[in-house]
Amino acid sequence: AQKVTQAQTEISVVEKEDVTLDCVYETRDTTYYLFWYKQPPSGELVFLIRRNSFDEQNEISGRYSWNFQKSTSSFNFTITASQVVDSAVYFCALSGTDRGSTLGRLYFGRGTQLTVWP
Amino acid sequence: GAGVSQSPRYKVAKRGQDVALRCDPISGHVSLFWYQQALGQGPEFLTYFQNEAQLDKSGLPSDRFFAERPEGSVSTLKIQRTQQEDSAVYLCASSLASGYGYEQYFGPGTRLTVT
Repeated sequence: AQKVTQAQTEISVVEKEDVTLDCVYETRDTTYYLFWYKQPPSGELVFLIRRNSFDEQNEISGRYSWNFQKSTSSFNFTITASQVVDSAVYFCALSGTDRGSTLGRLYFGRGTQLTVWP
Repeated sequence: GAGVSQSPRYKVAKRGQDVALRCDPISGHVSLFWYQQALGQGPEFLTYFQNEAQLDKSGLPSDRFFAERPEGSVSTLKIQRTQQEDSAVYLCASSLASGYGYEQYFGPGTRLTVT
């Protein structure tokens, strides 16, 4: 079974603060993919990053960074120097690959509502 | 280029009515997914198409839900005899190929309200 837990329902920060969104996952698959998506008020999910289970390197893209730790089954997302435009719901998702898995099916967490105040 | 589009964006249906939700994926994308997103929740998988073949419909909540993709491009999700619990946002996503780990591109969703 695949499961993603985002324990933080809502986070509020003031602009320029750093913020970390937590994601913990469960899977018995040996190979799997993890994703982060952003859902602004318009409703469309926007892809941010994909990581496969064999690549534990942390990644930085501008103000965004991701910390993948297989030992703790976590894939956390940090926004540095947050901006008002970062306000959105952020989803962590998991896709398994073992026999019987639907190709590409995503299992989402409940999401974290991030509000950045000016 | 054009992304995934969905229509209508909003639909209000009286309980018991049938509805049809349309998804236009990105041209050439092989895989198409439907997800249901209840208020305050993450999207939940409904069904998956590889071209015109529906390979997984295990997430459809009841036999009132039916999806098709007859020519391997546009897809329609139909809900018969709508119930209040069907109220949700229905998201469509497509990906370039069939396989694991491909990025899914999402449409804006159709917000269905059943009164």
